[in-house]
Amino acid sequence: QKEVEQNSGPLSVPEGAIASLNCTYSDRGSQSFFWYRQYSGKSPELIMFIYSNGDKEDGRFTAQLNKASQYVSLLIRDSQPSDSATYLCAVAATSGTYKYIFGTGTRLKVLA
Amino acid sequence: DTGVSQNPRHKITKRGQNVTFRCDPISEHNRLYWYRQTLGQGPEFLTYFQNEAQLEKSRLLSDRFSAERPKGSFSTLEIQRTEQGDSAMYLCASSLGTQPQHFGDGTRLSIL
Repeated sequence: QKEVEQNSGPLSVPEGAIASLNCTYSDRGSQSFFWYRQYSGKSPELIMFIYSNGDKEDGRFTAQLNKASQYVSLLIRDSQPSDSATYLCAVAATSGTYKYIFGTGTRLKVLA
Repeated sequence: DTGVSQNPRHKITKRGQNVTFRCDPISEHNRLYWYRQTLGQGPEFLTYFQNEAQLEKSRLLSDRFSAERPKGSFSTLEIQRTEQGDSAMYLCASSLGTQPQHFGDGTRLSIL
């Protein structure tokens, strides 16, 4: 079992719809979770982070965390073609280094 | 406030040659991380510095790889005797303590 799992996609949604991206993790002691957006050929860009159970909203983005189910998700409301990218889920290691363990990413396509 | 800077952006070299990459973190960020990313995968942790001390190295970092962060400022990653399998995007990230990591634009290495 991989430490951080994501569906590779592509996930296709029409413009204006809600895109829902999911991530599961294996280390029950994990405390910190991050979503990065990566355009093709570019580096990851931080868009959300969440540490507590529940929802965290920032503009069109909502991160949701359920530690009991070891599940974190990202919702993108009013999806735009410019949101088309790969979304990487990252979990901070519980060791002192705080290195990130990434999933393979979900490719999102927003259709105009 | 400038972001994380990496140089060069692209490096093409012949198998067997040595290469060195540089990373300048966000000023006053005490933590610096190197990751490697191959096509279709998420970034994988290579090594971590807290100030000038290298505190963890991944098993991925063979003896041909070495990293330094003199004086706790910029960092270099050197690969000796490059192999085809070293072709990847090398990403540097920095953070202030356990705050979220911010990535540079990466160095794309191609081995001929």
